[in-house]
Amino acid sequence: QLQLQESGPGLVKPSETLSLTCTVSGGSISSSSYYWGWIRQPPGKGLEWIGSIYYSGSTYYNPSLKSRVTISVDTSKNQFSLKLSSVTAADTAVYYCATELVRWFDPWGQGTLVTVSS
Amino acid sequence: EIVLTQSPATLSLSPGERATLSCRASQSVSSYLAWYQQKPGQAPRLLIYDASNRATGIPARFSGSGSGTDFTLTISSLEPEDFAVYYCQQRSNWSYTFGQGTKLEIK
Repeated sequence: QLQLQESGPGLVKPSETLSLTCTVSGGSISSSSYYWGWIRQPPGKGLEWIGSIYYSGSTYYNPSLKSRVTISVDTSKNQFSLKLSSVTAADTAVYYCATELVRWFDPWGQGTLVTVSS
Repeated sequence: EIVLTQSPATLSLSPGERATLSCRASQSVSSYLAWYQQKPGQAPRLLIYDASNRATGIPARFSGSGSGTDFTLTISSLEPEDFAVYYCQQRSNWSYTFGQGTKLEIK
């Protein structure tokens, strides 16, 4: 049974780069069956897909965030990562990593709150 | 970008009642629609995929229907643990969008 866990700083300064890692357990990130995704949720608001990656490194991103997002994968560590550059207060959110199966996300990590503030 | 509009924004019902939640897409998404449940402080949980297929472990009281632009999530008889926020989600053209959510609250 796949389990995902996000990790990274909970506080990032404006204009800096947000960096998070998702560690996958209970299965291989190199499985051909899955993509791996990042989704975020500002406090009290809805869900926004950020982007996804395949174990080969193939990525696709939300067009509204594409210029600031980089998602990478480290198969040796069974991890994938998110970098979001030039952050502002609007990027304050709970960030989730999730397994992308065909056209939906399941399971999800527990989420990690990242606050953008000086 | 395909926009998903959920209605109502808030639904107030009592345990034992039937809940009907709607999700409308701005253009056809075929049957490629999923539903999630989110409780406070928790990650979303997949309920339904491809419009009408229950995810593993999801009780039979949850059902999904629809195709094209109009979709419905039905909870046949509400249990106390069903009061939560529900989101629909679609994938098309290598992009995902979510609806804004429906809050199901206890009346």
